[in-house]
Amino acid sequence: AQTVTQSQPEMSVQEAETVTLSCTYDTSESDYYLFWYKQPPSRQMILVIRQEAYKQQNATENRFSVNFQKAAKSFSLKISDSQLGDAAMYFCAYRTYNFNKFYFGSGTKLNVKP
Amino acid sequence: NAGVTQTPKFRVLKTGQSMTLLCAQDMNHEYMYWYRQDPGMGLRLIHYSVGEGTTAKGEVPDGYNVSRLKKQNFLLGLESAAPSQTSVYFCASSYQGLAGGLNFGPGTRLTVL
Repeated sequence: AQTVTQSQPEMSVQEAETVTLSCTYDTSESDYYLFWYKQPPSRQMILVIRQEAYKQQNATENRFSVNFQKAAKSFSLKISDSQLGDAAMYFCAYRTYNFNKFYFGSGTKLNVKP
Repeated sequence: NAGVTQTPKFRVLKTGQSMTLLCAQDMNHEYMYWYRQDPGMGLRLIHYSVGEGTTAKGEVPDGYNVSRLKKQNFLLGLESAAPSQTSVYFCASSYQGLAGGLNFGPGTRLTVL
């Protein structure tokens, strides 16, 4: 089974600053998908951004972007201009190409300081 | 569209009691999942389904059973609850297409005393 590792249990960032959350994964597949999910205190899981492994271009969604390094099996999330509403748990997830099986990392708690 | 809904949102059980968690989705998704979330462990897959009438085991299936009699519903059962099953349970669905992500329900907080 694939494994997803988030080595930063907790991080802090000053409002308006930039922060990067790390994620590495282990797989023998060549095609797959990667996701970042946000879980605010409300507990609802929200999709932040997705990346197809066959695409070399890094995905971006407004203030959120990823640094996808396929050879290194690394998938980090960069949050620019951090806002108080960005404070949440962030989970990195891997999805198999077939059968839609998802594997999650243990999460990184992001604190945003005013 | 309601998306993915879960019933109930909270539940307290005594050891040995049984219960069923109900998940419903109105997006016509083929795939449905049950995850449990425990502190420091992320989300772990309990069971999943790739279509109506099918189910498969995930990473932590012991002590749980599931059924998917209708495409829009995915039920998670605990036959004899144990304190180790105290957790937050999430149902999710996804479509079969490329790059389909997970659509999550709001979660159920279950406490087993």
